[in-house]
Amino acid sequence: QLRLQESDSGLVRTSQTLSLTCAVSGGSISRAGYSWSWIRQSPGKGLEWIGNIFHTGNTYYNPSLQSRVTISVDRSNNQFSLKLTSVTAADTAVYFCAREGGFGMFDYWGRGTLVTVSP
Amino acid sequence: EIVLTQSPGTLSLSPGERATLSCRASQSISGNFLAWYQRKPGQAPRLLIYRASNRATGIPDKFSGSGSGTDFTLTISRLEPEDFAVYYCQQYGSSPAYTFGQGTKLEIK
Repeated sequence: QLRLQESDSGLVRTSQTLSLTCAVSGGSISRAGYSWSWIRQSPGKGLEWIGNIFHTGNTYYNPSLQSRVTISVDRSNNQFSLKLTSVTAADTAVYFCAREGGFGMFDYWGRGTLVTVSP
Repeated sequence: EIVLTQSPGTLSLSPGERATLSCRASQSISGNFLAWYQRKPGQAPRLLIYRASNRATGIPDKFSGSGSGTDFTLTISRLEPEDFAVYYCQQYGSSPAYTFGQGTKLEIK
């Protein structure tokens, strides 16, 4: 059974960089045919796709966040990471990592981690 | 960007009833790459339906999806207490590659 677990970032100061890691177990992150995404949900709002990374290392980002986002992969530790720079209160959200298993569907998700941005 | 509009925002029903949730896209979704998720407080979203009408692994047949193009429906027959949650639709295709609806809250009447 594939499992995804986000690291705990907790509190991030305004204008600083948010960093999260998603540890994948029960399957290889390098397996072809899948991509690995970050998705967030701000309080009282809907879900927003941030970006993803493929087994090739290719990345794609939501244009609304592209200038501030970097997603990378650490194959040796079977995990992938998110960096979001210059954060503001609007970046306060629960951040999820998820696998896209084909047909555009997210079939495995982490439990999510709450990141709060404060002054 | 394809905007997904879900209706109603809140649906109040009783256990045993049938729920019909709607998801309308601002443009036609190529390949019907439309998925539905269930979200309960403190839990990750759970994939229910992919490619508009295919049940995900382990999802009971009381959940069914239908539709194509711009109009999609999730139907839950015979509601049970554990089905009361927030439901999201999600599309794949145009930039940004993935967008979600704002959700329908299914609550106990």
